[in-house]
Amino acid sequence: GQQVMQIPQYQHVQEGEDFTTYCNSSTTLSNIQWYKQRPGGHPVFLIQLVKSGEVKKQKRLTFQFGEAKKNSSLHITATQTTDVGTYFCAGPAGANNLFFGTGTRLTVIP
Amino acid sequence: KAGVTQTPRYLIKTRGQQVTLSCSPISGHRSVSWYQQTPGQGLQFLFEYFSETQRNKGNFPGRFSGRQFSNSRSEMNVSTLELGDSALYLCASSDRQVNTEAFFGQGTRLTVV
Repeated sequence: GQQVMQIPQYQHVQEGEDFTTYCNSSTTLSNIQWYKQRPGGHPVFLIQLVKSGEVKKQKRLTFQFGEAKKNSSLHITATQTTDVGTYFCAGPAGANNLFFGTGTRLTVIP
Repeated sequence: KAGVTQTPRYLIKTRGQQVTLSCSPISGHRSVSWYQQTPGQGLQFLFEYFSETQRNKGNFPGRFSGRQFSNSRSEMNVSTLELGDSALYLCASSDRQVNTEAFFGQGTRLTVV
């Protein structure tokens, strides 16, 4: 069955350091979405990537979709305490249902 | 626009009981999806409804069921509760038929004792 793995599972960084999480799918994805879930909160949509090799930026966040459309990454430059949370990638599994990755929990040490 | 509203926020039930959770999507959104989130299994898809029709169902036992009403509000029901059903149940709504961002509600935290 479809599997979406993320690494690392946990990441602790000092405030100001960079952070990257990687998402790897066992199957080719038509698109990939990224969500952020703050502790005690709910997932919040960040971005959707559709094209092979696509790169999108949102302020300090850079998202990339692999050429083979089986992997993706999220890079945060100069982390801040507001970046704390779990980052999930998600691929489509039919209509509007998503297959979520295992998530990367980011802790930022002030 | 109001966001996705889930009620109740917290529930404690006893094994063997049944429970009904409610979700009101963002106004105008006709697609409603349900997810179960646990520390061990992560975020898992339960089912998705669009215009009162269940279009997709995840790999969960028949004890888990749902429905959607004509106003797009949705309910999910879990019968014969088991300890392993303790989880955060999240509802998400979308404004298009396919491949669009999901807007999640705050979730219902269900504890089965």
